Amino acid sequence: AQSVTQLDSHVSVSEGTPVLLRCNYSSSYSPSLFWYVQHPNKGLQLLLKYTSAATLVKGINGFEAEFKKSETSFHLTKPSAHMSDAAEYFCVVSVLAGAQKLVFGQGTRLTINP
Amino acid sequence: NAGVTQTPKFQVLKTGQSMTLQCAQDMNHEYMSWYRQDPGMGLRLIHYSVGAGITDQGEVPNGYNVSRSTTEDFPLRLLSAAPSQTSVYFCASSRLLAGGQETQYFGPGTRLLVL
Repeated sequence: AQSVTQLDSHVSVSEGTPVLLRCNYSSSYSPSLFWYVQHPNKGLQLLLKYTSAATLVKGINGFEAEFKKSETSFHLTKPSAHMSDAAEYFCVVSVLAGAQKLVFGQGTRLTINP
Repeated sequence: NAGVTQTPKFQVLKTGQSMTLQCAQDMNHEYMSWYRQDPGMGLRLIHYSVGAGITDQGEVPNGYNVSRSTTEDFPLRLLSAAPSQTSVYFCASSRLLAGGQETQYFGPGTRLLVL
């Protein structure tokens, strides 16, 4: 069965420093992986997605993620954090069972310190 | 395009009451789904639909009903609300293509409190 584990429930960084949000996945076949962001009291917005093309995926707002099959990881990074990056981030794997279903990680709350 | 819209934004129910959460999309997407979000658990799939007249269960379907009479609308019904259904509910839609690579577009959510 497909599953996603986000290794940190809460990450806190200072503004201007790098961001690393960790995600490991389990899948019996080559997966499609996504990162979604949720700002407080808002819906979810797609940051980026991996669909078996380039292993380094660039997303919106300076975020990127690298798919590493050998490590079953899909970590999200950003070189320099901005205050507006404070939000909840979800790593998601797509399950194919007749139709696309998304399996979500538990979420990582990112706090940015001034 | 309005995208995915949900109503109401917030609702308080008493145990045993029924209600319908509305979801509509104007992107002509075949695929629509309902999720619930609980603290520390991410989002979990309740029901989904791959087109008008076709629905199926997700991970946590008990206590919820859905129907899909049109491409645009996908309402979620709580027949007899329970405190365990206190949650934030999100509707999502996407195109339906092979490969599972389609981006899902989420509505703003409905916050439900069952007393």
